Amino acid sequence: NAGVTQTPKFQVLKTGQSMTLQCAQDMNHEYMSWYRQDPGMGLRLIHYSVGAGITDQGEVPNGYNVSRSTTEDFPLRLLSAAPSQTSVYFCASKRQGARYSNQPQHFGDGTRLSIL
Amino acid sequence: QQPVQSPQAVILREGEDAVINCSSSKALYSVHWYRQKHGEAPVFLMILLKGGEQKGHEKISASFNEKKQQSSLYLTASQLSYSGTYFCGTAYSGAGSYQLTFGKGTKLSVIP
Repeated sequence: NAGVTQTPKFQVLKTGQSMTLQCAQDMNHEYMSWYRQDPGMGLRLIHYSVGAGITDQGEVPNGYNVSRSTTEDFPLRLLSAAPSQTSVYFCASKRQGARYSNQPQHFGDGTRLSIL
Repeated sequence: QQPVQSPQAVILREGEDAVINCSSSKALYSVHWYRQKHGEAPVFLMILLKGGEQKGHEKISASFNEKKQQSSLYLTASQLSYSGTYFCGTAYSGAGSYQLTFGKGTKLSVIP
């Protein structure tokens, strides 16, 4: 059981370049989310999705786009990378619904992104 | 709004106890606790649902006071393996109760 898989693990970009961070889960979880983690700031929610075709903004959405065409995949796009987006990005998934309120959120291993 | 965690950092000797607190300004539906070691993903410890229940995981337990909108994580007889940063994630009552908002973390260092 792979769980939540993120690719790539490391990436270096130049300012203005675009790229997509990939996230896939094989647990049939409805809820998926993207966080960024910066020193001293904890995990901040970027975007989330409650199912295929449904996405919404989190706390820090500016500069990022998402889409959810399938239950399994939830890619995060940086359209024009900026140095302020240098961070560690985590994708997470969870079963959704009141009956699953005692179920944990599963995290991927993270993508370490540096923008020069 | 991010929940507020305290303390920000704590240093313990092996065998000592610690308490980490997590407070919210909004009504809580549930509180999740995670531990993260340097360079790794957060690892799930436990979930507490509203109702004031207490849970345990080996020598780590937690409580949830719904009225005070706060949760506490208790680490007893700490071991070197307990070192890491602890995060609480809070889900708020109402729509979006599945969405977790994390605190800034508490860095715990256990020394011999």
